[in-house]
Amino acid sequence: EAQVTQNPRYLITVTGKKLTVTCSQNMNHEYMSWYRQDPGLGLRQIYYSMNVEVTDKGDVPEGYKVSRKEKRNFPLILESPSPNQTSLYFCASSPLEGGSGNTIYFGEGSWLTVV
Amino acid sequence: QQQVKQSPQSLIVQKGGISIINCAYENTAFDYFPWYQQFPGKGPALLIAIRPDVSEKKEGRFTISFNKSAKQFSLHIMDSQPGDSATYFCAASKWTGANNLFFGTGTRLTVIP
Repeated sequence: EAQVTQNPRYLITVTGKKLTVTCSQNMNHEYMSWYRQDPGLGLRQIYYSMNVEVTDKGDVPEGYKVSRKEKRNFPLILESPSPNQTSLYFCASSPLEGGSGNTIYFGEGSWLTVV
Repeated sequence: QQQVKQSPQSLIVQKGGISIINCAYENTAFDYFPWYQQFPGKGPALLIAIRPDVSEKKEGRFTISFNKSAKQFSLHIMDSQPGDSATYFCAASKWTGANNLFFGTGTRLTVIP
């Protein structure tokens, strides 16, 4: 079954304590990205990656890091979380652009609360 | 700056009625307009998409209407059912960069029996 799997699904952490949200896809997709979803703001892209070792900033990258050492994995790192990073996070993947209107597949989301 | 503006923020429709969600965009380079459906506790999933070479696309009870000159597009859900209750996001991108979607702010649809 085609899947984007992210962990943890729920996390409460304290300000300043580094955390990593993992993301893995089993569809051999080149493109992966992270979004955060906030009420009234919709989905905003944090970072994306077009292939291994290729990453770039999205619309709201401040306070986040990513890495793409393997094609299937794309972890999101919060080096020093702050309360304004409390949000619902989605990892997503798709084939790289090829003019086919590529469907983006989303994970089930990770609820992160920073206190 | 919101690249895609979506309204209404929430919508309550009677079972069997028509649900209509509207979106507008500014960037004339956009030429791919998908709609995503999100159920509580789940990630968004592609529902239906349109390119500007047609003014309408229909899949079952779901129809996208597209007005290129007005830079607007809308989702119509005919014969709305309680199972359609979800959050709907419109989005836009360039066809060749369809991975980099700009999303609207979402519409929470509730269909009451």
